[in-house]
Amino acid sequence: DAGVIQSPRHEVTEMGQEVTLRCKPISGHNSLFWYRQTMMRGLELLIYFNNNVPIDDSGMPEDRFSAKMPNASFSTLKIQPSEPRDSAVYFCASSLGQRNTIYFGEGSWLTVV
Amino acid sequence: AQSVSQHNHHVILSEAASLELGCNYSYGGTVNLFWYVQYPGQHLQLLLKYFSGDPLVKGIKGFEAEFIKSKFSFNLRKPSVQWSDTAEYFCAVNAYSGGGADGLTFGKGTHLIIQP
Repeated sequence: DAGVIQSPRHEVTEMGQEVTLRCKPISGHNSLFWYRQTMMRGLELLIYFNNNVPIDDSGMPEDRFSAKMPNASFSTLKIQPSEPRDSAVYFCASSLGQRNTIYFGEGSWLTVV
Repeated sequence: AQSVSQHNHHVILSEAASLELGCNYSYGGTVNLFWYVQYPGQHLQLLLKYFSGDPLVKGIKGFEAEFIKSKFSFNLRKPSVQWSDTAEYFCAVNAYSGGGADGLTFGKGTHLIIQP
């Protein structure tokens, strides 16, 4: 079975540019999560969706960050404008229901210069 | 809100040594507990999980963890480590609130280095 699929795997962009990260959850999963990993702060939950509805976006650092889930098989995380401090690995994850394992994608490695 | 504390940020062991990584969480209600491993340059993979039942859970690659509710702990153990166990280990918890899935709260991670 295909796991959580993220794109791009790596992106280098200039400060001020818009960045869009994409995620396809595991088919049939109804919960989707976006995490950010940095050396300083570790793994942080940015936002999660249940049945395509955003439930908790309190982890989104600022208004420059936005996330959408237009359907059950696709989500985006957008940063506009990007800043060097946004450089991190962004993981998407999905699960089926609450008492099930959360599976992670391979991450999108973002560098903002 | 729940929080997770991992006691050791860096651990260095020799091959065949026994391993125990500490994890404590703070949350008064029912929780699901996880240990994830992240090998260098890779994504997080599930090692083991506890939802209910036997508090001693066994995972992949010879790892096990014990849930001690009175101590709010979920320590990871392996009797004999191998060089290939070199990785970052994350303890995580999500609260069981009866609704949809809640996101995992992760500890800061423990960087384990196994010396040949």
